[in-house]
Amino acid sequence: EVQLVQSGAEVKKPGESLKISCKGSGYSFTTYWLGWVRQMPGQGLEWMGMIYPDDSDTRYSPSFQGQVTFSADKSTSTAYLQWNSLKASDTAIYYCARQPNVLDYWGQGTLVTVSS
Amino acid sequence: DIQMTQSPSSLSASVGDRVTITCRASQAIDNYLAWYQQKPGKVPKLLVNAVSALQSGVPSRFSGSGSGTDFTLTISSLQPEDVATYYCQKYNSAPYTFGQGTKLEIK
Repeated sequence: EVQLVQSGAEVKKPGESLKISCKGSGYSFTTYWLGWVRQMPGQGLEWMGMIYPDDSDTRYSPSFQGQVTFSADKSTSTAYLQWNSLKASDTAIYYCARQPNVLDYWGQGTLVTVSS
Repeated sequence: DIQMTQSPSSLSASVGDRVTITCRASQAIDNYLAWYQQKPGKVPKLLVNAVSALQSGVPSRFSGSGSGTDFTLTISSLQPEDVATYYCQKYNSAPYTFGQGTKLEIK
């Protein structure tokens, strides 16, 4: 069974750094793209970009280029989404999803709250 | 970048009604169009890929159609459990943009 399990909710202050995780199981983690999707409170889905865990090739949506960093650890089948300096506007639910082309299996989401 | 525009943004219909949601791409995307359903408070779920291919387990009352730049998701007979927000997404090339969503409610 394909599963993507994300790390738990985070509460951070503006300017802090953060790295959230997404652990895959039940499939060949390294040979599928892994996408990230943002959903701000009460808003729609935004495709942030994707990473290919086998070689860490990444594609960022222009809206998120330079704002976040994707990484992956093949040895633990885990992908990461990282911020160096959070802003209040980063408050959102972040989903990871397996992305052979469409987003076919989704993680449960990680709520990130950024507030002073 | 290609933009995806859905209409309407919200929709209220009665149980048993036929419901159609439209998605328009700013440029042709061949058949690289998917639909997702997100029920309130839940994780999005893939409904349809390649314009019209229903995912396993998706009720047959859902169907997708279209080509080029104009696509539709149709629910032939609306059921209470279909209350959700529906999103289209293009995936011909990055960025894999979503439409803004269509919120479907029961009248």
